Amino acid sequence: SQQGEEDPQALSIQEGENATMNCSYKTSINNLQWYRQNSGRGLVHLILIRSNEREKHSGRLRVTLDTSKKSSSLLITASRAADTASYFCATALMSGGFKTIFGAGTRLFVKA
Amino acid sequence: ETGVTQSPTHLIKTRGQQVTLRCSSQSGHNTVSWYQQALGQGPQFIFQYYREEENGRGNFPPRFSGLQFPNYSSELNVNALELDDSALYLCASRRSGRTEAFFGQGTRLTVV
Repeated sequence: SQQGEEDPQALSIQEGENATMNCSYKTSINNLQWYRQNSGRGLVHLILIRSNEREKHSGRLRVTLDTSKKSSSLLITASRAADTASYFCATALMSGGFKTIFGAGTRLFVKA
Repeated sequence: ETGVTQSPTHLIKTRGQQVTLRCSSQSGHNTVSWYQQALGQGPQFIFQYYREEENGRGNFPPRFSGLQFPNYSSELNVNALELDDSALYLCASRRSGRTEAFFGQGTRLTVV
């Protein structure tokens, strides 16, 4: 099964509202990343948070990490129609070699 | 702007055939990973290459194989194609020691 699991699976909001997506993972991590994907195209790296960080900001993005609960959240503030995309969390593991594990993603739809 | 390019963009193959997908990494990146993404799912890690050697592999059978060349371009080969191999195949490159990966736009493989 996948290391990361996002919820909700899908989210529909109005432009200007905030969007919050959550990710849970199973094993210890060094860092956790969030990626964005538009319409089945390539993924774009958004932000990385290290295991010793609790919160990180980048523009309208805010990421939190709770290693005790093995969970992370991505908050997009003042959403725009252009934020419509799928968002994935990803963790890197060193177990029998290097592995990157993505969650199933949250599909965000921002209505103009 | 990502410098990772993949070819072809779309491909249709018949069950039982073999396919080779290609990826040109971003300049200066010596690590490349390949992913399979089924419709509506998150990317599944296939394997990673560093300096022409595989150093990580996901839960994929041996008929999924790869190569990385001295110029850091790479190939994904899939033998004995099955209908379930139909997916978007993504490659991602990064500098060793860095976590942020840059993705190509993917190859959409359809097996009929």
